[in-house]
Amino acid sequence: AQSVTQLGSHVSVSEGALVLLRCNYSSSVPPYLFWYVQYPNQGLQLLLKYTSAATLVKGINGFEAEFKKSETSFHLTKPSAHMSDAAEYFCAVSDRRAGGTSYGKLTFGQGTILTVHP
Amino acid sequence: DGGITQSPKYLFRKEGQNVTLSCEQNLNHDAMYWYRQDPGQGLRLIYYSQIVNDFQKGDIAEGYSVSREKKESFPLTVTSAQKNPTAFYLCASSIVGGTSTDTQYFGPGTRLTVL
Repeated sequence: AQSVTQLGSHVSVSEGALVLLRCNYSSSVPPYLFWYVQYPNQGLQLLLKYTSAATLVKGINGFEAEFKKSETSFHLTKPSAHMSDAAEYFCAVSDRRAGGTSYGKLTFGQGTILTVHP
Repeated sequence: DGGITQSPKYLFRKEGQNVTLSCEQNLNHDAMYWYRQDPGQGLRLIYYSQIVNDFQKGDIAEGYSVSREKKESFPLTVTSAQKNPTAFYLCASSIVGGTSTDTQYFGPGTRLTVL
């Protein structure tokens, strides 16, 4: 079964600093991977996704993530944090069969709360 | 605009009462999902449905029930058997099969509080 581990339940950065949110996955088949963002009392918004094309994926709001198969990682980065980036971020992996077809489910990590200081 | 709507935004329930949360989508997606979110626990799957009149239990289905009579609607009932129902509930939908990349799109959520 697929699983996702997000290292660090809370990350704090200064405005203008690099943002790095870590995600490691476990999957027996080539995965599809996702990052979502959630603002307080709102639903999840898709930031970006990896679906076996380019390993460096660019998303909205200046975020990007790199798929590293050898490290089973999909870390999310942004070169310069903005106050509006403060939110909770979730990494997710698609639950897929050995042949690549989907069970149609996602497995989510526990989430990382990003705080941005002025 | 296409999207997913959930109602109500906030819901209060007395212990022992059943309550139904609404989820509607106009994205023409085949699959719909219900998640429960508690602080520090991420999202946990309650039920999902990939086709009308069919649904499967997720990881925490006990105390919940669903129906899927229409493609665009997937209501969730929180029954009195659910021991700790206070949580934030999220509905999502996705395309199934073909060129699907399993991307799920989420509604704004319903916060349920048991008094």
